[in-house]
Amino acid sequence: AQSVSQHNHHVILSEAASLELGCNYSYGGTVNLFWYVQYPGQHLQLLLKYFSGDPLVKGIKGFEAEFIKSKFSFNLRKPSVQWSDTAEYFCAVNFNDYKLSFGAGTTVTVRA
Amino acid sequence: EAGVAQSPRYKIIEKRQSVAFWCNPISGHATLYWYQQILGQGPKLLIQFQNNGVVDDSQLPKDRFSAERLKGVDSTLKIQPAKLEDSAVYLCASSLGLAGDTDTQYFGPGTRLTVL
Repeated sequence: AQSVSQHNHHVILSEAASLELGCNYSYGGTVNLFWYVQYPGQHLQLLLKYFSGDPLVKGIKGFEAEFIKSKFSFNLRKPSVQWSDTAEYFCAVNFNDYKLSFGAGTTVTVRA
Repeated sequence: EAGVAQSPRYKIIEKRQSVAFWCNPISGHATLYWYQQILGQGPKLLIQFQNNGVVDDSQLPKDRFSAERLKGVDSTLKIQPAKLEDSAVYLCASSLGLAGDTDTQYFGPGTRLTVL
């Protein structure tokens, strides 16, 4: 069965540190890839998405993600985090249909 | 542009009671989704509507869960009777319903259900 794995359950870092969150999926076919973010008390928001083309995609708030097809990965990065990046981050994959399969999420805590 | 609206935001019930959640998607969005998000997990799709028709309800526990979108706009998800394991956040999402694979889902704030 197709699945989405997020490597870290909880990440704690200081402001200005770099962030990288891992996401892997198990499917060899065409996929569409998403990162969603949920800030405390807010709803899920789309951070960025990849459908085709340049495998390095840029999203809102300085986030970017790189699709590496050979590694079945779509890791999220931000060079310098801010306290306001404290949130839960979800990787989601569309496995060649319109269903979204989500990873379990990674809670990111940024210390001021 | 108004987002996806959901109500209520919180609900506490006892097991074996019934409960209903309401969702109003973004105007013009043909596709509506209901997800269940259990604490510590990612959202799991329960049911998907395209206009007023069901596209996928393969993960909906049909013995106790039901959903409808009669006029192809807003939708109601019902649980009857509720079990302890139904405690979760119920998320509604909508999308334009584009053909192919470029559709993006937009989520509402969710309803947090606690079953005692």
